[in-house]
Amino acid sequence: GAVVSQHPSRVICKSGTSVKIECRSLDFQATTMFWYRQFPKKSLMLMATSNEGSKATYEQGVEKDKFLINHASLTLSTLTVTSAHPEDSSFYICSARAPSGSYEQYFGPGTRLTVT
Amino acid sequence: GENVEQHPSTLSVQEGDSAVIKCTYSDSASNYFPWYKQELGKRPQLIIDIRSNVGEKKDQRIAVTLNKTAKHFSLHITETQPEDSAVYFCAASKSAGTALIFGKGTTLSVSS
Repeated sequence: GAVVSQHPSRVICKSGTSVKIECRSLDFQATTMFWYRQFPKKSLMLMATSNEGSKATYEQGVEKDKFLINHASLTLSTLTVTSAHPEDSSFYICSARAPSGSYEQYFGPGTRLTVT
Repeated sequence: GENVEQHPSTLSVQEGDSAVIKCTYSDSASNYFPWYKQELGKRPQLIIDIRSNVGEKKDQRIAVTLNKTAKHFSLHITETQPEDSAVYFCAASKSAGTALIFGKGTTLSVSS
């Protein structure tokens, strides 16, 4: 089956620094990827839709200048949390749309971000 | 936009009993309804899904039913086992390639 990886799995950073999270589709090309964040004991909240070769589409309330998304190739999307603050601490999960014709999405293992 | 409501938020059952989780959605254009199981700190795992052209789908102990008119769908787990204990999420999307909108989740506890 389709595999999506994320790196790093865990990251701790200091307030004010930036952190980049990578999402890769390992064995298929993903023209569309999605970024979610999940607070403890809460649901997955869609942050943005990442389209290869074009600007990401952000959900209402998500600051695009704070959460920079780049989908430069058919197998890689990156999320950069800029000037991180403790309230940005969360579990960030990406997903990639399955190859054409399928509705299924494949999730990465998630990245636990802790901002101190 | 789409809004997915999920109930109950917690569900405790005895091993061997059945468990039912219900979701409603708001956007009549939604046509794909997956269910995910998530264990603590892990990625969501697809356990079953249904498209809008089908009313019911079953996979061993798990089944999903869909009522498009009422805009609700349900997950049924029969003969529950302790390893079924996890958080379950329903979701909806409009078409292949569009984002999933998740319900708030149900924490299922199966006691032996």
